Amino acid sequence: DAGVIQSPRHEVTEMGQEVTLRCKPISGHNSLFWYRQTMMRGLELLIYFNNNVPIDDSGMPEDRFSAKMPNASFSTLKIQPSEPRDSAVYFCASSLGGDGNTIYFGEGSWLTVV
Amino acid sequence: AQSVTQPDIHITVSEGASLELRCNYSYGATPYLFWYVQSPGQGLQLLLKYFSGDTLVQGIKGFEAEFKRSQSSFNLRKPSVHWSDAAEYFCAVGTAGKLIFGQGTTLQVKP
Repeated sequence: DAGVIQSPRHEVTEMGQEVTLRCKPISGHNSLFWYRQTMMRGLELLIYFNNNVPIDDSGMPEDRFSAKMPNASFSTLKIQPSEPRDSAVYFCASSLGGDGNTIYFGEGSWLTVV
Repeated sequence: AQSVTQPDIHITVSEGASLELRCNYSYGATPYLFWYVQSPGQGLQLLLKYFSGDTLVQGIKGFEAEFKRSQSSFNLRKPSVHWSDAAEYFCAVGTAGKLIFGQGTTLQVKP
């Protein structure tokens, strides 16, 4: 079975450019998460969807970040405009929802903003 | 507020030696606890999880973890480490359907 699929795997962009990260969750999963991993802050939850609806976006750093989930099989995380401090690994993850269910992670999108 | 602390940032063990990675959590109710492993350049893979019942939980790759409510701990153990176990290990508490992670422990394995 396919796991969580993320694209692009690696992206290098210039400061000020728009960046769009994409995610396809595991089929049948109704919860989707975007996490960011940096050396300084570790793994942080940015936003969490349940049944395509954003439930908790308290981790979104600022207005430059936005996330959408137009349907159950696709989500995007957009950064506009990007800044060097946004350089990180962005993970998408999905689960069946609810406490205790395993959350499955994609392999991450490695973003470098120069 | 819920939180997870992994006191050891970096641990080095010899191949074949035993391993224990520490995890302490702060949570107001019965926690859902997880250990994930991340190999370089990869995503996170679930090793094991605890919800209730037997406090000793078996996972994949020969790992186990013990939940101790009195100590608010969920330490990960392996009796004999293999070179392929070198990776970063994350403890997490599940709340409201999402995960809160510790800072991670990097495991180095000496030949």
